[in-house]
Amino acid sequence: KNQVEQSPQSLIILEGKNCTLQCNYTVSPFSNLRWYKQDTGRGPVSLTIMTFSENTKSNGRYTATLDADTKQSSLHITASQLSDSASYICVVSADSARQLTFGSGTQLTVLP
Amino acid sequence: SQTIHQWPATLVQPVGSPLSLECTVEGTSNPNLYWYRQAAGRGLQLLFYSVGIGQISSEVPQNLSASRPQDRQFILSSKKLLLSDSSFYLCAWSDGRGGLYQQYFGPGTRLTVT
Repeated sequence: KNQVEQSPQSLIILEGKNCTLQCNYTVSPFSNLRWYKQDTGRGPVSLTIMTFSENTKSNGRYTATLDADTKQSSLHITASQLSDSASYICVVSADSARQLTFGSGTQLTVLP
Repeated sequence: SQTIHQWPATLVQPVGSPLSLECTVEGTSNPNLYWYRQAAGRGLQLLFYSVGIGQISSEVPQNLSASRPQDRQFILSSKKLLLSDSSFYLCAWSDGRGGLYQQYFGPGTRLTVT
């Protein structure tokens, strides 16, 4: 069964600090891995998308890494801001748009 | 640029009443369209998927149905709502030509069935 596990479930950090969120998956076949940011009560917004051949991708202060051999990904947030408070969702795609497996998300809270 | 709209933003309906949620996409043609449901603290669950007008695939058996009367319009419906239908509903689109099928989500509808 395809699964995406994210850790930690929730995380609280102080503004300006860095943090790393983890994603482990057992999706096969593998096409690509996405990280989304979802503000409370809003739709998810894409941060990065990586294919099998990519092992790192950045989007501003967000850097995602992918290890396709160990089936792990991480999302690193640098110099956190209050606006980073949100749920971060890891999504793994198999061969088509229908075959997406969503993680339950990591709820990040950034405190002043 | 492309935009996706959903309405209403919030909805409170009694058990047994009908439901109609609408989603429209602007700035693209022949998109793939999706309806998702997201329970609190849970991952997104794909409900319906459409590759064209009148073409609907259902991913999970349930009390809901979907229709695509126009190329960029996707509607989620129910004849009789259940308490268990309370959830956050998201519409999304992706490029119908394929590629990485990057999905773009709408703002969502918070449905509460009382």
